[in-house]
Amino acid sequence: DQQVKQNSPSLSVQEGRISILNCDYTNSMFDYFLWYKKYPAEGPTFLISISSIKDKNEDGRFTVFLNKSAKHLSLHIVPSQPGDSAVYFCAASEVRAGNNRKLIWGLGTSLAVNP
Amino acid sequence: NAGVMQNPRHLVRRRGQEARLRCSPMKGHSHVYWYRQLPEEGLKFMVYLQKENIIDESGMPKERFSAEFPKEGPSILRIQQVVRGDSAAYFCASSPQGTYSGNTIYFGEGSWLTVV
Repeated sequence: DQQVKQNSPSLSVQEGRISILNCDYTNSMFDYFLWYKKYPAEGPTFLISISSIKDKNEDGRFTVFLNKSAKHLSLHIVPSQPGDSAVYFCAASEVRAGNNRKLIWGLGTSLAVNP
Repeated sequence: NAGVMQNPRHLVRRRGQEARLRCSPMKGHSHVYWYRQLPEEGLKFMVYLQKENIIDESGMPKERFSAEFPKEGPSILRIQQVVRGDSAAYFCASSPQGTYSGNTIYFGEGSWLTVV
């Protein structure tokens, strides 16, 4: 059962336009969400995160929006650049016993930004 | 990615051999996570370890796979009697000693296992 879903396996956007990557989750106990970016043959790198007490977090060209009632978050990249072409993973986190956290990952969305 | 060191970066094994993948976490991190990415698939959690303890191994295959994180030295993911289906990228990540809000984990660059 996929608790974190990225329903679009791929997305193609023109350079300079906005990229919107979506992520849905089913577990209402998730209280922290993260986006990672991954280039081929490299490890994922942390991009941006948001706590469930917020509905928006912005860092430069990257903004994450959280809609808790819809259990939906999205990552906006504006303006998109060719170097943003990568696979983007959404992850959600909940506290487990012993104050340990477990990250649950989506399957990723491959973004292609065309010059 | 800087700081989490994985080796080897690439490993080729024949079917039936053993594969050992090593991971040194970032300085000051005592939590280690192993993930696997099969071709054309997303990241799959395998195991979460703290020093000398396995916290969560719910993603580990029941047979042939084991992981450890000893008091001294790197974490090791061991795959015995490898089969072609084990060919994948194996990523290690680490995080600081658990805090309520410090949820970011930092990945290494991965170890690519090819079974021939």
